[in-house]
Amino acid sequence: DTGVSQNPRHKITKRGQNVTFRCDPISEHNRLYWYRQTLGQGPEFLTYFQNEAQLEKSRLLSDRFSAERPKGSFSTLEIQRTEQGDSAMYLCASSSTDRAYNSPLHFGNGTRLTVT
Amino acid sequence: AQSVTQPDIHITVSEGASLELRCNYSYGATPYLFWYVQSPGQGLQLLLKYFSGDTLVQGIKGFEAEFKRSQSSFNLRKPSVHWSDAAEYFCAVGPDKLIFGTGTRLQVFP
Repeated sequence: DTGVSQNPRHKITKRGQNVTFRCDPISEHNRLYWYRQTLGQGPEFLTYFQNEAQLEKSRLLSDRFSAERPKGSFSTLEIQRTEQGDSAMYLCASSSTDRAYNSPLHFGNGTRLTVT
Repeated sequence: AQSVTQPDIHITVSEGASLELRCNYSYGATPYLFWYVQSPGQGLQLLLKYFSGDTLVQGIKGFEAEFKRSQSSFNLRKPSVHWSDAAEYFCAVGPDKLIFGTGTRLQVFP
């Protein structure tokens, strides 16, 4: 179990630029989640995948946000035309629906985005 | 609507003192309940979880939590706090797409 890996750890970008984050889940986990966390708040659900299928998207996920998990392994989260309000920690988590694992969500260390 | 409330934004305790962090939830079905801990700049680490069965669950680092259905609560406890427990604590309700509370920041004085 190598844990959930997120890259980059930090990203500073200028308003209007596009950014992309990557998440590598725990290898045997078929579900992958994206959350956003702003200062002083708990994580807020954005979207999740089961294998390569995106099963749900939050209303928080505007049209500028897109997430993919093309081969059911790693996932990317892209934000187009970034705004200062997008500054936050973006957390990825994975889990397994296999009952044998009885798996809760395992989180990565996040990508902190700062939009200047 | 599904929600989690953590009434205490910030708690300060002395090292060695006991700790209780409060969590109340609103969930339409049988809840799956979790406590996570987050150190500054880090991701969330699972402390413990409740799915079913014994309502008192043990977790890592000496933490425990008790599920009380009648009070819609899942409070986290530790009998003796260590300075390394200083962090942000989040309660969440599931089962899978977790809904988190706003967190309680724990400060520990020597």
